Amino acid sequence: QVQLHESGPGLVKPSETLSLTCIVSGDSINSYYWSWFRQPPGKGLEWIGYVYYSGTTNYNPSLKSRVTISVDTSKNQFSLRLTSVTAADTAVYYCARREFSRYYYYWGQGTLVTVSS
Amino acid sequence: DIQLTQSPSFLSASVGDRVTITCRASQGIGSHLAWYQQNPGKAPQLLIYDTSTLQTGVPSRVSGRGSGTEFTLTITSLQPEDFATYYCQQLHTYPLTFGGGTKVEIK
Repeated sequence: QVQLHESGPGLVKPSETLSLTCIVSGDSINSYYWSWFRQPPGKGLEWIGYVYYSGTTNYNPSLKSRVTISVDTSKNQFSLRLTSVTAADTAVYYCARREFSRYYYYWGQGTLVTVSS
Repeated sequence: DIQLTQSPSFLSASVGDRVTITCRASQGIGSHLAWYQQNPGKAPQLLIYDTSTLQTGVPSRVSGRGSGTEFTLTITSLQPEDFATYYCQQLHTYPLTFGGGTKVEIK
C-alpha cells in the first residue's frame, strides 16, 4: 500500500522559506513523477510543480521564481522549498504521485502551513 | 494556462436525486480530465480519469462524459456519502489546473 506523508513546520514567518518533505512508503520513488499541490483554507486546489525521480522538474509559472522541488531517492522522499512567503501562501500542502496513466491517485493527508509573524 | 470553469459552485440536493456538474475548459483538452471528491479535512480522492473511466472502487452511480472543452460528472441516486465538494482537473497541458469546485449539500 503506497503511502505519502508530508512533514515540516506548521508556522512560517513572512519573507522566510517554507520547507516540506514528503516521505513515500510502500513503493520505490523511482520511475514516477511526484507533485506538490496546495489549497488555501476554504479555496480550491493549485498545482505547484513536479519532480521526476531522475531530478527533472516542472513548476507552475505563477510560483516558478520561488519554488524548488527536489528528490532524494536514497531516502525515498522528495521536498518542497518556497521562498519569500507571504500570507497568501497559507494553505494545506499536499504531495501526490502521478501514475503512469498521468493521473493522481495517491495523495498525502496534507499539512497546514500558516504564514504569520 | 487552461482555465476550467465549474458549474454550479453550489448544489443543494436530496438523497436519491440525480445531479450533474459541468466543467468547461478554455481550450481543448482532449479527454485528459479527472474528477475528484473532497471531504472536509481530507485529501482529494480520484473518482474518474480520462473523462469517463471510473477509478477502482467508485460506485457505478457515478459517471463522467465529454470531450474537447465540455465535460460532466453525473451522480444518479445521491447517497449520504456523496455530499462533498467535487473538482475537475485537466492534465492535458502544464500547468495542471483545477476547476473552482462544486459543493454538494443536503437539501
